Amino acid sequence: EAAVTQSPRNKVAVTGGKVTLSCNQTNNHNNMYWYRQDTGHGLRLIHYSYGAGSTEKGDIPDGYKASRPSQENFSLILELATPSQTSVYFCASGGGTGGSNERLFFGHGTKLSVL
Amino acid sequence: GDQVEQSPSALSLHEGTGSALRCNFTTTMRAVQWFQQNSRGSLINLFYLASGTKENGRLKSTFNSKESYSTLHIRDAQLEDSGTYFCAARTGGNNKLTFGQGTVLSVIP
Repeated sequence: EAAVTQSPRNKVAVTGGKVTLSCNQTNNHNNMYWYRQDTGHGLRLIHYSYGAGSTEKGDIPDGYKASRPSQENFSLILELATPSQTSVYFCASGGGTGGSNERLFFGHGTKLSVL
Repeated sequence: GDQVEQSPSALSLHEGTGSALRCNFTTTMRAVQWFQQNSRGSLINLFYLASGTKENGRLKSTFNSKESYSTLHIRDAQLEDSGTYFCAARTGGNNKLTFGQGTVLSVIP
């Protein structure tokens, strides 16, 4: 199974502070994704990337930035954290080359609480 | 509106019994992926289908893109099958997965 590692696993932040969530994959996957999971909403896509240097807006990008400095790393950045961004965040990677290579593999999640 | 409608939202099964979970799509999807989210919150890959049926142990999944639905069948349910099951589907021409709301499965002794 492909490995996707997120850090930190848990984070408590203050309103107005800056938060960076990190994701690393060693599968040489082109595509990486950030989702958040909230009760009643399932998983919703925030940002994604097709490769190093690329970032794309997902379905709920407001209040978030993303950075893909390399094939392996994809960060989610909250410049000014708000309590509404309290959630569990999942990073995923996928080959994106068609067929079963399009399968997504998820990290274990980061629980973020903004006070 | 929501592109992936998952049902039921919750399901209780006695050990040894089975049932089916379903996802209906409001637009044409070219592939579907099923996940189990376990008690620790991890998302476990179950199936990826671009068409047809796949089976793995006590689980079987079907994807019918023409009729816009996918199913996940669980037979001989075990306690460790408890968790939340998600389907996620990919529309043509992009690499985004859209998730359903999930089915919370409780397997009871």
